[in-house]
Amino acid sequence: GAGVSQSPRYKVAKRGQDVALRCDPISGHVSLFWYQQALGQGPEFLTYFQNEAQLDKSGLPSDRFFAERPEGSVSTLKIQRTQQEDSAVYLCASSLETGGFGYTFGSGTRLTVV
Amino acid sequence: GENVEQHPSTLSVQEGDSAVIKCTYSDSASNYFPWYKQELGKRPQLIIDIRSNVGEKKDQRIAVTLNKTAKHFSLHITETQPEDSAVYFCAASGDTNAGKSTFGDGTTLTVKP
Repeated sequence: GAGVSQSPRYKVAKRGQDVALRCDPISGHVSLFWYQQALGQGPEFLTYFQNEAQLDKSGLPSDRFFAERPEGSVSTLKIQRTQQEDSAVYLCASSLETGGFGYTFGSGTRLTVV
Repeated sequence: GENVEQHPSTLSVQEGDSAVIKCTYSDSASNYFPWYKQELGKRPQLIIDIRSNVGEKKDQRIAVTLNKTAKHFSLHITETQPEDSAVYFCAASGDTNAGKSTFGDGTTLTVKP
């Protein structure tokens, strides 16, 4: 596609519910990143994929967070047993190059945990 | 790990004036410094970036300068227009971070007509 596509655009989850957020990167982009953006703050790194390999997951805040990119294209970020502190915008970005150069961000998924 | 600080947090200028936003970073191994513009409710968009082998880069009304010795870099916007109003984020990354970017907390720029 022309850009990075994320779905759903908005998600309201009850505390304790599991959620799955989808990212469809730009076709051919090798690198894929997930970031979490709290209100009024900069994006915070969660995890990085190069093709299907998850090279860095140091930013995932707890073992309730899990990400995958099984075929090196679409990625899913899963959050189990959601908590209120998980409420944020989850941004996906992709890049043609390996490493962190020249991100194109998606529009994000705004997750609200009630 | 890397720490990026961004100043000021808010900036208000008159249309036509210049705006400067400054960032400092802590990891001397960082070698890539992008700037993003984020309008309310929209995605961050890359507006300019600089790699550590150059000291300055310009694109029309936007320029970025880098001082590796002092570990700081700045965004300069000249002849500001109301449509420049947005939140601007700086970021830093390096080969040792394998793609991870560390972002500043953002600067809300308001350009008054």
